[in-house]
Amino acid sequence: DTGVSQDPRHKITKRGQNVTFRCDPISEHNRLYWYRQTLGQGPEFLTYFQNEAQLEKSRLLSDRFSAERPKGSFSTLEIQRTEQGDSAMYLCASSPFGHRGTYEQYFGPGTRLTVT
Amino acid sequence: DQQVKQNSPSLSVQEGRISILNCDYTNSMFDYFLWYKKYPAEGPTFLISISSIKDKNEDGRFTVFLNKSAKHLSLHIVPSQPGDSAVYFCAAGQENTGNQFYFGTGTSLTVIP
Repeated sequence: DTGVSQDPRHKITKRGQNVTFRCDPISEHNRLYWYRQTLGQGPEFLTYFQNEAQLEKSRLLSDRFSAERPKGSFSTLEIQRTEQGDSAMYLCASSPFGHRGTYEQYFGPGTRLTVT
Repeated sequence: DQQVKQNSPSLSVQEGRISILNCDYTNSMFDYFLWYKKYPAEGPTFLISISSIKDKNEDGRFTVFLNKSAKHLSLHIVPSQPGDSAVYFCAAGQENTGNQFYFGTGTSLTVIP
């Protein structure tokens, strides 16, 4: 079990640039989540996938944000025209779906984005 | 609108004593609760969970208590160890959806040797 991996771990970009992050979930997990975490706050839900279907998006996810999960495997989160307010840790998590008691999510190490 | 609140940003406890971390929630529809531990430069790690059909769940040194009427849960760590020093987040959601969980702002626990 290699766990959830995210790439890159750190990204520094200039305001207005586009960035893309990748998440590789635990292979047998069919649910994948994206969260954003800013300093002093807990993770805030952005969106989640069940297999390749994006089933829910938070109002935090503006139209500059888009997420995909082709073929229900890895996922990408793209931020277009980055703003300084986008600076945060972006966390990916995965979980198995099914019977009772399996709602714990397994988090990756996160991608820290700094927009200058 | 913070639906899950951890009102103590930090807590210090002597090694061997009990650590009690508290969490309050506002949404009465929440029926599944989780605790995560986070070390610096790592993602949160799942610790223990509880469904609203229970009022207590125990796993080794960790016990979570749920008071539904008060919309309050707590995590007890006994005995506390220096390796428990981390930020602890509680999260709450609805079990039948199992998708969107709301996290508190975290409590930084320091266990003093």
